[in-house]
Amino acid sequence: AQSVSQHNHHVILSEAASLELGCNYSYGGTVNLFWYVQYPGQHLQLLLKYFSGDPLVKGIKGFEAEFIKSKFSFNLRKPSVQWSDTAEYFCAVSSNFGNEKLTFGTGTRLTIIP
Amino acid sequence: DGGITQSPKYLFRKEGQNVTLSCEQNLNHDAMYWYRQDPGQGLRLIYYSQIVNDFQKGDIAEGYSVSREKKESFPLTVTSAQKNPTAFYLCASSPGFWGGALTSYNEQFFGPGTRLTVL
Repeated sequence: AQSVSQHNHHVILSEAASLELGCNYSYGGTVNLFWYVQYPGQHLQLLLKYFSGDPLVKGIKGFEAEFIKSKFSFNLRKPSVQWSDTAEYFCAVSSNFGNEKLTFGTGTRLTIIP
Repeated sequence: DGGITQSPKYLFRKEGQNVTLSCEQNLNHDAMYWYRQDPGQGLRLIYYSQIVNDFQKGDIAEGYSVSREKKESFPLTVTSAQKNPTAFYLCASSPGFWGGALTSYNEQFFGPGTRLTVL
């Protein structure tokens, strides 16, 4: 069974700092990878996704993630965070065999200090 | 506006009672899902349905039941057998393997959630 690990449970940064949130998955086959974000009081929404091709994926609001197959990782990055990035971030994986199910990580709470 | 609606937003129930959470989507998606979100545990899959009149258990189905009689609706019943029902419940949908493009068929869209409290 596939699993997802997000080792950072709570990250606190100052505005303008650079961000990297870790995500590792355990599945040996082809995968689809996702980052979702949950802003306070809002729906969970898609930040970015990887299906195939360029392993560097760009998403909304200046976020990007890099798929490193050899490390089973899909870390989320942003060069300069803003106070409005305060949210909970979830990494998710799906095996790419017509499988619609996603397996989510436990989430990382990001707090940005103005 | 296309999207997913969940009602009610807050729900209180007495111990020993069954309660049904509503989830409706107007995205014409084939697949629908129910998750439970607890602090520090992420989203855990309760049940999912890939097509009308069919559904499968997720990772934590015990104490829950679902039905999928219509494409747009996927209600979740939390039964009295669920030992720890107080949680935030999220419904989601995706186009599905037969209904979506190859690069988006399993991209899930989420509703606003229902917070259930058992008194």
